[in-house]
Amino acid sequence: AQKVTQAQTEISVVEKEDVTLDCVYETRDTTYYLFWYKQPPSGELVFLIRRNSFDEQNEISGRYSWNFQKSTSSFNFTITASQVVDSAVYFCALSEALGRDDKIIFGKGTRLHILP
Amino acid sequence: EAEVAQSPRYKITEKSQAVAFWCDPISGHATLYWYRQILGQGPELLVQFQDESVVDDSQLPKDRFSAERLKGVDSTLKIQPAELGDSAMYLCASSLLDGSYNEQFFGPGTRLTVL
Repeated sequence: AQKVTQAQTEISVVEKEDVTLDCVYETRDTTYYLFWYKQPPSGELVFLIRRNSFDEQNEISGRYSWNFQKSTSSFNFTITASQVVDSAVYFCALSEALGRDDKIIFGKGTRLHILP
Repeated sequence: EAEVAQSPRYKITEKSQAVAFWCDPISGHATLYWYRQILGQGPELLVQFQDESVVDDSQLPKDRFSAERLKGVDSTLKIQPAELGDSAMYLCASSLLDGSYNEQFFGPGTRLTVL
């Protein structure tokens, strides 16, 4: 069965600090996709990144970086030099992909507070 | 930029009443999803359509929830009768179907409050 665990329910850091959001997943498939979404107070889900299970390269996009490690089934997300606008709920998610049944399984989210 | 449209954005209703939500996916997107997000939780899939056909409705409480996508374009999700526990954000998403993995694009959601 698929499962995504975000152990950190809520994190608060002071602006300009770095912060890492943890994500651990479970799946029996060898082909799958991992995601991070941001949900600001307005409620919409903003897509941040998708990674497929065959691509373990870490990715950096501006102040955002992602560390995918299959050996530990983790897909952690780091925000460098955090800003107040980064305050949101962040969801890690998993899809076993391809075919008609490509539903996304979301974790419970981590609420991030960036304090000025 | 094309977006998934949802209406209404907010809905307040009393228990036992009927409510309906509407979703218009991005043009050309064959797959449409309805998710429910309870406060403090991640979204959970309620129903998935491929064109006008239901692909997965295993998590849809069929005694009170119904969903349709009659012409394979826009979709309506209905709850009748609404219960207090139905208070949540209802998110619609759509994606292409071209044989490879396709990103799901989410709408702004409908926030339902049942009193």
